Amino acid sequence: AQSVTQLDSHVSVSEGTPVLLRCNYSSSYSPSLFWYVQHPNKGLQLLLKYTSAATLVKGINGFEAEFKKSETSFHLTKPSAHMSDAAEYFCVVSYNQGGKLIFGQGTELSVKP
Amino acid sequence: ETGVTQTPRHLVMGMTNKKSLKCEQHLGHNAMYWYKQSAKKPLELMFVYNFKEQTENNSVPSRFSPECPNSSHLFLHLHTLQPEDSALYLCASSQDIAGGSSEQYFGPGTRLTVT
Repeated sequence: AQSVTQLDSHVSVSEGTPVLLRCNYSSSYSPSLFWYVQHPNKGLQLLLKYTSAATLVKGINGFEAEFKKSETSFHLTKPSAHMSDAAEYFCVVSYNQGGKLIFGQGTELSVKP
Repeated sequence: ETGVTQTPRHLVMGMTNKKSLKCEQHLGHNAMYWYKQSAKKPLELMFVYNFKEQTENNSVPSRFSPECPNSSHLFLHLHTLQPEDSALYLCASSQDIAGGSSEQYFGPGTRLTVT
């Protein structure tokens, strides 16, 4: 079955330290991959997407993600966390099936001062 | 207005009420979606519309009835809901459903509470 797994339900970092949010997907064939962020009581905002071009994808707010086919991973990173990064992050995969997206369970990122 | 808007933002309804959620996109997209977001569960796709035609009904109970009068508007009509239907309902749009790389743009959601 096609799926996406976010390996951590909650990640806590200190402000100014690096962020790593982990995501693995099942590999039926080449997917499109996305990271979305959801701040409290808000909708989802697209951070970045991978669509078989460069394997290192840069997104908004200093986030980036690397597509590693051999590891079926698409981890999200940021060199230096900011308090405003505290939110829920969703790894999402699309297998080109009529617009259907498969969402991970989400990772809640906390940023300590 | 820009992006995807949803009204109302909050809704409390009894189990015998009838209410509707509205979604409007100002992006010129052709596909629209309803999702349900419950606590501690992944987002669940409910319905997909492409060029006003329903292309996906993800086994949603008939007490949820979608309507897509044109590519810019999407409604979700609610009747005789159950308490377990309380959730955040998110609307999204994308250019279309062809190809897998078309990102979806989400509205802020309607927080629904069924009493």
